[in-house]
Formats: sequence, C-alpha cells, structure tokens
Amino acid sequence: TQLLEQSPQFLSIQEGENLTVYCNSSSVFSSLQWYRQEPGEGPVLLVTVVTGGEVKKLKRLTFQFGDARKDSSLHITAAQPGDTGLYLCAGPLYNNAGNMLTFGGGTRLMVKP
Amino acid sequence: NAGVTQTPKFRILKIGQSMTLQCTQDMNHNYMYWYRQDPGMGLKLIYYSVGAGITDKGEVPNGYNVSRSTTEDFPLRLELAAPSQTSVYFCASRRQSTDTQYFGPGTRLTVL
Repeated sequence: TQLLEQSPQFLSIQEGENLTVYCNSSSVFSSLQWYRQEPGEGPVLLVTVVTGGEVKKLKRLTFQFGDARKDSSLHITAAQPGDTGLYLCAGPLYNNAGNMLTFGGGTRLMVKP
Repeated sequence: NAGVTQTPKFRILKIGQSMTLQCTQDMNHNYMYWYRQDPGMGLKLIYYSVGAGITDKGEVPNGYNVSRSTTEDFPLRLELAAPSQTSVYFCASRRQSTDTQYFGPGTRLTVL
C-alpha cells in the first residue's frame, strides 16, 4: 500500500484539452513535490507546495496543496504534446537519520496532436 | 556542473551474475539515494546515505548493497542477480537544507 495514491494512472487526451491529476494520502505531509519524467530520463522537479491551501502556477500548470496537507492536484490548461510524460507526486518522510521521499505511483499522460 | 551521472546506461545480466551501478554527483550534496522504477510504476527507495561513511536501508534493500566512501560517489552493488531485479535504477542527491532531489538519467538493467 502506497502512502501517496495518484489518479488517474493513465490519461490520453487531445491537444488543447484540460486535465487534472490527483495525489491523495491519509497522512499529513509537511510539503508535497511534483516531478515530471520523460521517457529515458530521470524525474525533474516541477514545484514544491508547502502551505495548506497554497496554489502555485507554472505557465499552463496549476498546483494546489489541500488545506489539510493530505492531498494535492495538478491542473494543466490547454495541454500540448510537450506535456506528455509521467507525473509523480512525492512527499518527505522524516526519521532519525534524515529524510526520504515517498513517491506516488505516477500518472502517465499522453497528449495527442 | 554535470549534476548526477550514472553508468552504465544499459546492462544485461545473466541470473547469478553480479555488477556495480555507479553514481557520482558534483554538487557536494550530503544526501544520496538509490531508487528502482518498475515499468509504469513510481519509484521505490532501495538505499540512501546522509553522508560519507553512513548508509541505511530503504523500502526494498534485499539483494543490494551500497557503500559511501566519498561525498561524490554512491555505488550500488547487485550480488547474485535475479529476474526480479530487472528495472530502471535511478540515483539522486540533495542538499541537506532542502527536500528537492536531483536525479541521474538512470540505468536500465535486464536480468535474463
């Protein structure tokens, strides 16, 4: 059982459509991160949300952190083929030795021209 | 800065063989991580290190070993490779003061 559940797992849409990807947990996180991973490459950080209720925008991407800091969403407006990739949310887990990131299972997005 | 580099990019092993996946970072980051990513899935933590000489197990450490003799290098050792270890392996690092991890390009390993 993963701490962070992402939905949907797969999404195939036409260019120009809007979409929302969700990242949910029963645990409270101090922050959540969103990464995008393109085929054959490692994940690259898009944004970190820290404050409950926070909204961050990155061009056509809008990220929201839930008020209770248990969930986050990523909304893409007017999707383009260049948005195609695997979107991963991740949250820090703290222990005595430092901290680790736990990742959701990812949402694989395909945007068709 | 090259960031996080990994070698090799691809490798095919036979069952029972062993190999070392190399990871180097030139950002002077204290924290380093090894993940595996199975097809269509998220990342699972294998081992991590908070500094030279200190390593600890993650979620899925069985069948792997690590060492951290320098700040820059964090090799992952597979002993007695098994088909279940077929995966893409990512190394990552981060500065102590932030949660942001920087990932290498990955090593695609197939065990036949």
